[in-house]
Amino acid sequence: QVQLVQSGPEVKKPGASVKVSCKASGYTFTSYDISWVRQAPGQGLEWMGWISTYSGNTKYEQKLQGRVTMTTDTATSTAFMELRSLRSDDTAVYYCARDLKVGLRGVFGYWGQGTLVTVSS
Amino acid sequence: DIQMTQSPSTLSASVGDRVTITCRASQSISGWLAWYQQKPGKAPKLLIYMASSLETGVPSRFSGSGSGTEFTLTISSLQPDDFATYYCQHYNSNSPFTFGPGTKVDIK
Repeated sequence: QVQLVQSGPEVKKPGASVKVSCKASGYTFTSYDISWVRQAPGQGLEWMGWISTYSGNTKYEQKLQGRVTMTTDTATSTAFMELRSLRSDDTAVYYCARDLKVGLRGVFGYWGQGTLVTVSS
Repeated sequence: DIQMTQSPSTLSASVGDRVTITCRASQSISGWLAWYQQKPGKAPKLLIYMASSLETGVPSRFSGSGSGTEFTLTISSLQPDDFATYYCQHYNSNSPFTFGPGTKVDIK
């Protein structure tokens, strides 16, 4: 069965960087794009961007351009999301999500369990 | 970029009620719309995609309709497990995959 398992919670100081991992199993990793979605405490869902696990092409939400980098390691079927220059308003649960089917980019049928990133001095 | 709105933001209902949530896009997204359910502390769960296609395993009391800029999610008979927050999301690949602000369905 499809599983996305994310790395554990992180506490970072303002200005630091964080790198969250998302290990996939149960399917061919390079057949489906991975997106990252975050949710600040008590707030809604915010799409951050996606990466093609096949080509490595990325598309980021404009407001995060320059601070976010999404990568993959196909040898370990793992996707990564790095966010730099952290601010207090980056405190959120970060989710990785996989497309439901090939050809349905942006329909998130599978989700990781979420990683809480807390930014605090 | 395409903006998504939802109404109402909160909905109080009783078990057995018919519930309808509306989602509007700032420009036409054809049928590129999905609905998700989220419970506290959990990842979102896909309910519907392509505006009206029910994801496998989702109960048939959930249905979606609409196209262009206006969409609805209907729960025909609300069950105790349905108290949650619901989000719409467009996935037109020419624009960021924006989510709506959410509709919380709570117990009346």
